[in-house]
Amino acid sequence: DGGITQSPKYLFRKEGQNVTLSCEQNLNHDAMYWYRQDPGQGLRLIYYSQIVNDFQKGDIAEGYSVSREKKESFPLTVTSAQKNPTAFYLCASSIVSGMETQYFGPGTRLLVL
Amino acid sequence: GENVEQHPSTLSVQEGDSAVIKCTYSDSASNYFPWYKQELGKRPQLIIDIRSNVGEKKDQRIAVTLNKTAKHFSLHITETQPEDSAVYFCAASKGDYKLSFGAGTTVTVRA
Repeated sequence: DGGITQSPKYLFRKEGQNVTLSCEQNLNHDAMYWYRQDPGQGLRLIYYSQIVNDFQKGDIAEGYSVSREKKESFPLTVTSAQKNPTAFYLCASSIVSGMETQYFGPGTRLLVL
Repeated sequence: GENVEQHPSTLSVQEGDSAVIKCTYSDSASNYFPWYKQELGKRPQLIIDIRSNVGEKKDQRIAVTLNKTAKHFSLHITETQPEDSAVYFCAASKGDYKLSFGAGTTVTVRA
């Protein structure tokens, strides 16, 4: 699980504000993922990226955006269009997508003021 | 898409007893099944995984079994210890990008 960092640990969003969550990995992994975790639910995929400059929507992409300009970085922006953003956000990476272990970052807890 | 159901949602066991968590999946094309352990406020960590070409895999006190015909797989923890208390998630993948997760099982080991 080492080598993946997320910041900040806690983030507060005001109404109508966009906020960006950082995810960095030094594992030389090609694939990176963003998940949302709500109490009593499993992890739900927001976006994933298999290669630099390419990414795809997951199951709950509405109200979120991502970029993948560098192999090491996969930031997630929670836009004002996401009406219920309070959740624990987890970033993950893997060597290749599919049947390989996904390693998770420590997470960012987003709260709405 | 893939639907993974996980049971039970909570499990309380006496220290030293065994714990079993079962997951069912809907897509017969799924061929990779990892299990993650998440302690309170921490990141999920892989504890064991199994691919569809095997029926069982063991790692010390942890084992996973897979029944492809019935489309279910189970996690077995023997000789439970207090440090086994956590939330456990199963997941399934068809070998593409996507892991579909179960809702999680909160395991409490009573001393």
